[in-house]
Amino acid sequence: DVKVTQSSRYLVKRTGEKVFLECVQDMDHENMFWYRQDPGLGLRLIYFSYDVKMKEKGDIPEGYSVSREKKERFSLILESASTNQTSMYLCASSLSRPYDEQYFGPGTRLTVT
Amino acid sequence: ILNVEQSPQSLHVQEGDSTNFTCSFPSSNFYALHWYRWETAKSPEALFVMTLNGDEKKKGRISATLNTKEGYSYLYIKGSQPEDSATYLCAFISNFGNEKLTFGTGTRLTIIP
Repeated sequence: DVKVTQSSRYLVKRTGEKVFLECVQDMDHENMFWYRQDPGLGLRLIYFSYDVKMKEKGDIPEGYSVSREKKERFSLILESASTNQTSMYLCASSLSRPYDEQYFGPGTRLTVT
Repeated sequence: ILNVEQSPQSLHVQEGDSTNFTCSFPSSNFYALHWYRWETAKSPEALFVMTLNGDEKKKGRISATLNTKEGYSYLYIKGSQPEDSATYLCAFISNFGNEKLTFGTGTRLTIIP
């Protein structure tokens, strides 16, 4: 079974803090993704990566950065957290081709106060 | 940003009844369509990956059809059971650009025992 794990289920941070969300997959997948889920808006892609040390912007990259130093790990960084980044963050991975099904982690519900 | 629409937004169905809902997407530059099921407090799970016009996929009581020329896909559930209660997401991939998933906002299905 593919397993995608995320470092925290719930996180509370203060405005201006630097926040790290970690994602690890154990199935040697090439592709990894970060999404956020907000009510009425669907899953929106923040960043994705098709290879180690490679990253591409998704639809809403502003205020975020990512790091992929190892194949199995993809980190999302909020350089200076703001209240409008309060959301559910989901990490996903897929095998190799762009249309391969994605496997999702359990999500991190981040609250920025 | 591509427009992927799902209807209805929510649906209540009596246990044992069959139901269906729709995903609409751009009819040009089609690459693939995904369907995911997202149960409360769990991770989204892939149901189907559809790549060819006229594709029909089936998994147990759930099936899906695809019409790429007119830009829609239907998901059918036969003989609904309480465990079918979930949000069903579709996601479209275009072959123009960087081939990332664009999700619809989902159809929330509740099965009434």
